[in-house]
Amino acid sequence: SQQGEEDPQALSIQEGENATMNCSYKTSINNLQWYRQNSGRGLVHLILIRSNEREKHSGRLRVTLDTSKKSSSLLITASRAADTASYFCATDNGGGADGLTFGKGTHLIIQP
Amino acid sequence: DTAVSQTPKYLVTQMGNDKSIKCEQNLGHDTMYWYKQDSKKFLKIMFSYNNKELIINETVPNRFSPKSPDKAHLNLHINSLELGDSAVYFCASSQRSGTHTGELFFGEGSRLTVL
Repeated sequence: SQQGEEDPQALSIQEGENATMNCSYKTSINNLQWYRQNSGRGLVHLILIRSNEREKHSGRLRVTLDTSKKSSSLLITASRAADTASYFCATDNGGGADGLTFGKGTHLIIQP
Repeated sequence: DTAVSQTPKYLVTQMGNDKSIKCEQNLGHDTMYWYKQDSKKFLKIMFSYNNKELIINETVPNRFSPKSPDKAHLNLHINSLELGDSAVYFCASSQRSGTHTGELFFGEGSRLTVL
């Protein structure tokens, strides 16, 4: 069943602005991860946040996790044209070899 | 060196044919996966394979069968291809820690088109 649901489905902003994407999930998790997918390419891991963490930073990325609301957000600051891609959240539900459950993704377009 | 490589990148075939997609990882990971991405970009796990333990998503038709000759390889064989099998198939690998799944490393994908 669908676990992560990203919001919005599509987002278009001007270069230099901040982009915020949200993700909601339904069951308990070990961790939540964000991935980027450029058109025609594979997914690339961006950041992992554990269930006992509330916020994490990596370069221009900031991820928050609210386990009481079962939601996460990804903030990309000072966006660049190269940030144009689809962004997916994925949850580790602790099923061992079950892997990650992915949301439907947010397609981000950065206008130069 | 490519961490997770899969071949072929593109595959065009007729309905009813059988095809295989190969995947290799050089990261020393103990778990490999196959994901299917549909035309709406939704990613769905098909299989995971860890130390000879195969976990199958119950919604995957038995026309799909993974084959792992060793820990570094997980190939996907598809029998009697149908139009609905058209999608991009991604191989991925990770290192498990107990029941925790860490970062997944993905291949570049294999786009399958069934005519």
